[in-house]
Amino acid sequence: GAGVSQSPSNKVTEKGKDVELRCDPISGHTALYWYRQSLGQGLEFLIYFQGNSAPDKSGLPSDRFSAERTGGSVSTLTIQRTQQEDSAVYLCASSLAMDTEAFFGQGTRLTVV
Amino acid sequence: QKEVEQDPGPLSVPEGAIVSLNCTYSNSAFQYFMWYRQYSRKGPELLMYTYSSGNKEDGRFTAQVDKSSKYISLFIRDSQPSDSATYLCAMKAAGNKLTFGGGTRVLVKP
Repeated sequence: GAGVSQSPSNKVTEKGKDVELRCDPISGHTALYWYRQSLGQGLEFLIYFQGNSAPDKSGLPSDRFSAERTGGSVSTLTIQRTQQEDSAVYLCASSLAMDTEAFFGQGTRLTVV
Repeated sequence: QKEVEQDPGPLSVPEGAIVSLNCTYSNSAFQYFMWYRQYSRKGPELLMYTYSSGNKEDGRFTAQVDKSSKYISLFIRDSQPSDSATYLCAMKAAGNKLTFGGGTRVLVKP
């Protein structure tokens, strides 16, 4: 079956522009996570959606970052006024229920020039 | 201090050897434990998922959780060059986000 799908796979943008990153979770999965991974670094938590509960936004690094999940399925991570330090791989994961296994997509590699 | 500590390596072993990886953590609320493998420029791939303490085996992989010591391990038997990757431990408390270790780079030499 289809796994977690992220688009685009690569994105180059100019400093100051806004970008939108998309995540299509595995069908039926109620939990969705966004992480960011800088070159050679570990995974930095950004935001966590679980069903209809209020999302855990505690990892968003600034108010330039926001995310939404429409209809409990697709999620979009938006970065406004991008900065060079936003360059990283943005990873999305989903899980069937709150505390079950989480499966990752291949990520979106964002480069801010 | 980080919630989850993991030696970054690199850990270099000869082909056929046992690879031993571990993580320590500080949050006693963690109940769910996962191990991921990540190849360069790829997303993390789930290897093992364990709930609470105990052992779990899947093929060449064995995961162990010792909640009393706040210590988890992953063993890879009969290692192959294709096992060369970064291994990430991850854990969560009920209803909360996944928290990751920094990853251990493993190199299996033919």
